[in-house]
Amino acid sequence: ETGVTQTPRHLVMGMTNKKSLKCEQHLGHNAMYWYKQSAKKPLELMFVYSLEERVENNSVPSRFSPECPNSSHLFLHLHTLQPEDSALYLCASSQERALNTEAFFGQGTRLTVV
Amino acid sequence: AQKITQTQPGMFVQEKEAVTLDCTYDTSDQSYGLFWYKQPSSGEMIFLIYQGSYDEQNATEGRYSLNFQKARKSANLVISASQLGDSAMYFCAMREYSNTGKLIFGQGTTLQVKP
Repeated sequence: ETGVTQTPRHLVMGMTNKKSLKCEQHLGHNAMYWYKQSAKKPLELMFVYSLEERVENNSVPSRFSPECPNSSHLFLHLHTLQPEDSALYLCASSQERALNTEAFFGQGTRLTVV
Repeated sequence: AQKITQTQPGMFVQEKEAVTLDCTYDTSDQSYGLFWYKQPSSGEMIFLIYQGSYDEQNATEGRYSLNFQKARKSANLVISASQLGDSAMYFCAMREYSNTGKLIFGQGTTLQVKP
C-alpha cells in the first residue's frame, strides 16, 4: 500500500470512447503528477498540479484533459484517443519542493486503445 | 535543463553478487535530490534510496547504496548480495528545488539476476 490509489487498474477503450482515470492520495501531499510510460520508453511527465493548480503541461495533446478538484484527487479525462496512446499511466504525489522526500506512485492504469 | 542519463539498457548479475547501475545527471541548480526507483513487471514504482545534493555521505538503505560523485554528476546505485527478486527495471530520477519539485526520470536499466 503506497498511499496513492489509481483506478481502474486496466482499461480497454475504443478510439471514439470517453473515459476517465482516477488518482487519490491521502498522504497530505500538495503536488500531484501524471506520467505516461510506453513500452521500452522512459517515464514521460505529462502534467503537474501544485496546490490544485496546473503548473506544467508538457505538450500533451488535448485529447488528454487533467482535472484536480482538490489536493487529494487527480483525474485524467480521455477522449478520441489513438492506438499509440496505449501505455501505463502512473499517478504520483509529493510535497512540492521538499527535495528530501520521495514521490509516491500509484500502481498505474494499463490503458489499451483499440 | 534537467536531464538524467542511464546508459545501460540491460544488466545481468549472478545471485549473491553485487551490481552497479549507472546514472549521470545534468542540472544548473545547486539544490537537488537524486532518487532510485525499482519497477517490477507488475508496474508499480518502488522508492529505494535518496541522495541530497548537499549530503556529504553516500546514502545507504539496507542492500542499496548510492555512489554519489557530485563533481562528476553521477549517482550510481549499488545493489549488494543480489537476490532473484531484484530482477526489475531500475530508474534514476532527479528533483530540482527551483522546478516545482517534479521528478524527471532516466531511461531505465533492466536488471536480471541469474540463479
